[in-house]
Amino acid sequence: EVQLVESGGGLIQPGGSLRLSCAASGFAVSSNYMSWVRQAPGKGLEWVSVIYSGTGTYYADSVKGRFTISRDNSKNTLYLQMNSLRAEDTAVYYCARVVVPASSSSLWFDYWGQGTLVTVSS
Amino acid sequence: SYVLTQPPSVSVAPGQTARITCGGNSIGSKSVHWYQQKPGQAPVLVIYYDSDRPSGIPERFSGSNSGNTATLTISRVEAGDEADYSCQVWDGTGDHPVVFGGGTKLTVL
Repeated sequence: EVQLVESGGGLIQPGGSLRLSCAASGFAVSSNYMSWVRQAPGKGLEWVSVIYSGTGTYYADSVKGRFTISRDNSKNTLYLQMNSLRAEDTAVYYCARVVVPASSSSLWFDYWGQGTLVTVSS
Repeated sequence: SYVLTQPPSVSVAPGQTARITCGGNSIGSKSVHWYQQKPGQAPVLVIYYDSDRPSGIPERFSGSNSGNTATLTISRVEAGDEADYSCQVWDGTGDHPVVFGGGTKLTVL
């Protein structure tokens, strides 16, 4: 059974740093694309970052240069290092497994974790 | 970057058909995916590749995509279908490859 469990969220002051973790089971993160998606309170879903099964990474403009996505294959865990946090980064952060068809013509998310809340406030 | 537009809310009586739209420039040339999200829960994929259903998703859920509008259709709506629904595409040409619509709140009257 595929499971994704996020952790690491909490209350942090503006300018601070936080590292989110997403422990996966039932599949290998090393051979899958993985992503972080966030949702601010009362708002819609916002894509944050994706890591390809190789080394490629992409980021939303809103977090580029501040956030870093990575994975530890030995721990089967995905990470999101968040630096220089701002109030507008306050959100529930979800990790999700990415599906990319053989044609590479699209991308979607087939499994999601339950999310971890990050609150940036003084 | 690419923009997806959804109506904020749609209301329908039980047993009727709900149609939730997702607008985008030439969206018919892209593949659209749909997610259901109930309060306090993670999103669940209900339609991928415009009209395919993951295993476990009822046949009442269907999708279509043409021109500038993609549509999620829920037939014989049940109280348990009340949720937020979001569309998503992959915009491979840009630096922001994944785009979500703003979400639509489906209310079952």
